[in-house]
Amino acid sequence: SQKIEQNSEALNIQEGKTATLTCNYTNYSPAYLQWYRQDPGRGPVFLLLIRENEKEKRKERLKVTFDTTLKQSLFHITASQPADSATYLCALGGSGGGADGLTFGKGTHLIIQP
Amino acid sequence: DAGVTQSPTHLIKTRGQQVTLRCSPKSGHDTVSWYQQALGQGPQFIFQYYEEEERQRGNFPDRFSGHQFPNYSSELNVNALLLGDSALYLCASSPLGGGTDTQYFGPGTRLTVL
Repeated sequence: SQKIEQNSEALNIQEGKTATLTCNYTNYSPAYLQWYRQDPGRGPVFLLLIRENEKEKRKERLKVTFDTTLKQSLFHITASQPADSATYLCALGGSGGGADGLTFGKGTHLIIQP
Repeated sequence: DAGVTQSPTHLIKTRGQQVTLRCSPKSGHDTVSWYQQALGQGPQFIFQYYEEEERQRGNFPDRFSGHQFPNYSSELNVNALLLGDSALYLCASSPLGGGTDTQYFGPGTRLTVL
């Protein structure tokens, strides 16, 4: 069955450093991968989308890589700030062709220490 | 421009009851997806509606049903509630039939089944 794994433990990073989050998947051939941020009690907020034919995408302090051979995506936040503390969700989609529901990982809880 | 809205915010039901949750998509969006998020887990895809029809469905029993109206708003109905149905129910909308575009999530409805 399809499986998505994200860092199960909370990730503690010192302010100003780069935070790197990992998303690994098995039994899946996604057409694209997305990263979302979720704060407690709130809905997920879209951050970045990367397609299967793309290796890297950047947006301001965010960078995501996508390796379909390793079946892995890395999500980087550079110059991290306490306000970046949240749960980050990896989501895969597109295996069914066209519009389809996303398959999410459990998320990684990121804590940026001042 | 209003984003995705959901009602009610919180809901408490007892086992065996039925519940209806409502969602209004972001302006200009015609595709609505519903997700269930249990505590500490990532969202799980329930189903997606486009042009008033269920387009795709995740691994949820028939107790979960939905509807989309001509104005693109949507309802999620759950019959014969179980304790395990307690979760945050998220609605997400996307434009122009979905595809690989971003999904915009609402704040969710917190359902507690006693």
